[in-house]
Amino acid sequence: QSALTQPASVSGSPGQSITISCTGTSSDVGGSSYVSWYQQHPGKAPKLMIYEVSNRPSGVSNRFSGSKSGNTASLTISGLQAEDEADYYCSSYTSSSTWVFGGGTKVTVL
Amino acid sequence: EVQLVESGGGLVQPGGSLRLSCAASGFTFSSYWMHWVRQAPGKGLVWVSRINSDGSSRSYADSVKGRFTISRDNAKNTLYLQINSLRAEDTAVYYCVRNGGSWSLEYWGQGTLVTVSS
Repeated sequence: QSALTQPASVSGSPGQSITISCTGTSSDVGGSSYVSWYQQHPGKAPKLMIYEVSNRPSGVSNRFSGSKSGNTASLTISGLQAEDEADYYCSSYTSSSTWVFGGGTKVTVL
Repeated sequence: EVQLVESGGGLVQPGGSLRLSCAASGFTFSSYWMHWVRQAPGKGLVWVSRINSDGSSRSYADSVKGRFTISRDNAKNTLYLQINSLRAEDTAVYYCVRNGGSWSLEYWGQGTLVTVSS
């Protein structure tokens, strides 16, 4: 149950687009349609942003989008805004019927 | 409105035990799988355990298997996590989470802090 691999930090200017990668194995990301993404602001509980690779829950801005290719999933934030500055985590349901998270990516809006 | 309220955290000595509780409201608790996820201070999220809707099936992360036990009381709309043989590395905020569609972790409580120290 090794953690998925995410970059430690990603930054961008307001209005730009950024992409966060999430790399796993064929036992999790590569073999699963159930990849999700979470946003966490300091001192707050995480919030679901994307589920099933590319679906947005009701109320989540369409500036957030997800995709997957092979063992790597990605979260793209377009039209970056100050409020998007937060930590982001990917997660995958695994072939062992467990869940695994990535190490987290700190997004900074310059 | 879905609400998940954790309790039971606190300071405990190494080797000690603790039972965390999560009171659920705003949805039909007995219809949903539930999870515990933890986050050590300044660190990332780590999935801990899940239980199915009627409590007949459970799974655990390897790091807690044999020491942690997840359970639920659907009559009381409450989720539990029994933590035994506590270690310093178990120090974390423990979140109660409701399973969503497509195996997502849809709704999160605010968490309860467990600190293991002598």
